[in-house]
Amino acid sequence: EMQLVESGGGLVQPGGSLRLSCAASGFTFSSHWMGWVRQAPRKGLEWVGSIRQDGGDIQYVDSVKGRFTISRDNAKNSLYLQMNSLRDEDTAVYYCARVQVAAANVWWFDPWGQGALVTVSS
Amino acid sequence: DIQMTQSPYSLSAAVGDRVTITCRSSQTISNYLNWYQQKPGQAPKVLIYGISTLQSGVPSRFSGSGSGTDFTLTISSLQPEDVATYFCQQNSGAPPYTFGQGTKLEIK
Repeated sequence: EMQLVESGGGLVQPGGSLRLSCAASGFTFSSHWMGWVRQAPRKGLEWVGSIRQDGGDIQYVDSVKGRFTISRDNAKNSLYLQMNSLRDEDTAVYYCARVQVAAANVWWFDPWGQGALVTVSS
Repeated sequence: DIQMTQSPYSLSAAVGDRVTITCRSSQTISNYLNWYQQKPGQAPKVLIYGISTLQSGVPSRFSGSGSGTDFTLTISSLQPEDVATYFCQQNSGAPPYTFGQGTKLEIK
């Protein structure tokens, strides 16, 4: 069974840092792009960023560029999100998700982890 | 950035009703349109990808259609377990890969 399990969430003060981890199992992690999506309380979904299989191509939404870093360790089947200079508006549940691809570059997120809550507050 | 606009924002329908949710993109996105379902307290899960392809295991009462900038998710006969929030997502070309604001579906 494919599974993604996030960890590392918690309460952090504005300006602080936090590192989320996502442990993958049940599929060949190194064969897939991976992504992070967040959801602020009672809000919609926001794509945060994605990383290629070899880590050589990483994409971010503008609002986190220069503050967040996505990385992966294929030997450990793990995805990471290093979050620095955190702001109140970064408060959200952060989901990791596998990118699944079909023909003609059609892709989607499946499966998703259960999410990790990050609260930025003083 | 491509903006995705869903309507309605919320919807109440009876069991057995046909339900339609629409999603409009601010630019043409070819077939790079997915639909996700998020039940209360759960992570989202994909229902449909590439406008109209049903994800394995998803009931056939769900269907997707559309082209260009206008897309539709249809539930042919609403069931109690379909209570959820539904999101469209575009992943055409360059990032960011934006989601619609969501449509909350309830049983009347």
